[in-house]
Amino acid sequence: GQQLNQSPQSMFIQEGEDVSMNCTSSSIFNTWLWYKQDPGEGPVLLIALYKAGELTSNGRLTAQFGITRKDSFLNISASIPSDVGIYFCAGHGRNNAGNMLTFGGGTRLMVKP
Amino acid sequence: DAGITQSPRHKVTETGTPVTLRCHQTENHRYMYWYRQDPGHGLRLIHYSYGVKDTDKGEVSDGYSVSRSKTEDFLLTLESATSSQTSVYFCATMPGEREASFSEQFFGPGTRLTVL
Repeated sequence: GQQLNQSPQSMFIQEGEDVSMNCTSSSIFNTWLWYKQDPGEGPVLLIALYKAGELTSNGRLTAQFGITRKDSFLNISASIPSDVGIYFCAGHGRNNAGNMLTFGGGTRLMVKP
Repeated sequence: DAGITQSPRHKVTETGTPVTLRCHQTENHRYMYWYRQDPGHGLRLIHYSYGVKDTDKGEVSDGYSVSRSKTEDFLLTLESATSSQTSVYFCATMPGEREASFSEQFFGPGTRLTVL
């Protein structure tokens, strides 16, 4: 099935470093979403973006909806050990019979204390 | 967060046995989804529902069936479990189009299924 191109697939960083990940698509989306999945848990919605060019923050997290509506990025500043997990992007488009999301493959973040 | 529960949270079963996983939501969301998550494959959609008794197939529906007899419950059934269905299963919900957060999907805690 269709997936968004999410990169990098994994990152191993030092505590305190900033993190950046992104998603790209060949299709236009009207909403971009970013989720975090902790080990053994379900994905939790971090940020939702509704307008092209929108920049939204949630604590140390900042996400942007690309101006072309085909990409989005997520930045995490000053990483801490509890940032460990898998981050997923997802896109939502119009005329979507099942109101479905298209997901990226995930970025696995590992933080070294 | 939407109130989504899944049961059981863990299950071990044998090949050939039927298995039913339950998803229950308390948010009155219109849409419900079943995904499986496997290493290297991300989240893959099995089946979804767009209303009571209205369901459709996702990308990996073979070997699975679903039912939704009321808004709050969405059941996933493996008619005859196989080892390839060993996975973590997630239920998710989305509000209807008239709600402000209609493009946001909320996930349950997951069910870890092992088929021996």
